[in-house]
Amino acid sequence: SAVISQKPSRDICQRGTSLTIQCQVDSQVTMMFWYRQQPGQSLTLIATANQGSEATYESGFVIDKFPISRPNLTFSTLTVSNMSPEDSSIYLCSVEEPGQTTYEQYFGPGTRLTVT
Amino acid sequence: TQLLEQSPQFLSIQEGENLTVYCNSSSVFSSLQWYRQEPGEGPVLLVTVVTGGEVKKLKRLTFQFGDARKDSSLHITAAQPGDTGLYLCAAKKTSYDKVIFGPGTSLSVIP
Repeated sequence: SAVISQKPSRDICQRGTSLTIQCQVDSQVTMMFWYRQQPGQSLTLIATANQGSEATYESGFVIDKFPISRPNLTFSTLTVSNMSPEDSSIYLCSVEEPGQTTYEQYFGPGTRLTVT
Repeated sequence: TQLLEQSPQFLSIQEGENLTVYCNSSSVFSSLQWYRQEPGEGPVLLVTVVTGGEVKKLKRLTFQFGDARKDSSLHITAAQPGDTGLYLCAAKKTSYDKVIFGPGTSLSVIP
């Protein structure tokens, strides 16, 4: 399976600032996704990062708040803009790869964001 | 309304005990995955099941997909502290759909 790395692994940010999270994959992948995991919760899909076009956002998430770049098939960034304490979460990058019988998703180690 | 339900929500057991966690839905899925997420890490894929009634074993872990492909169970034999983590089930209705995640079962195995 693909090896996925994220930077930074964690950060503490002041409200009103922005943070850009990087996701690097060791192989070319078509589908890349960004998820948010709030404390003690499951995963919520923010958007699908499309190479060469705008990201596709899920209900409740907008491009102005979470701009995403996907310049090539191995890299993506997610920016959390104008942060508030409610944005404190783990942000996870994920890729989809063909498995033995169906496509499977693999995750990076996550970026733990705390907004003060 | 959660499309995927997991039970129990929390489970704390002694080392050496057996346990089963469940993932249920009223929908039929084409595939279902189980992940384990340890504190401070991303979810790690444990298994994918696609056929109704399918049983897969991974060392002390046994996964079963329901005959109707609406539910699944994960059984752990002789739990160890290293099994501690958040167990997430995830499923797709068709291969073209996005993955849906359950709310998770938080397991704590006490030495």
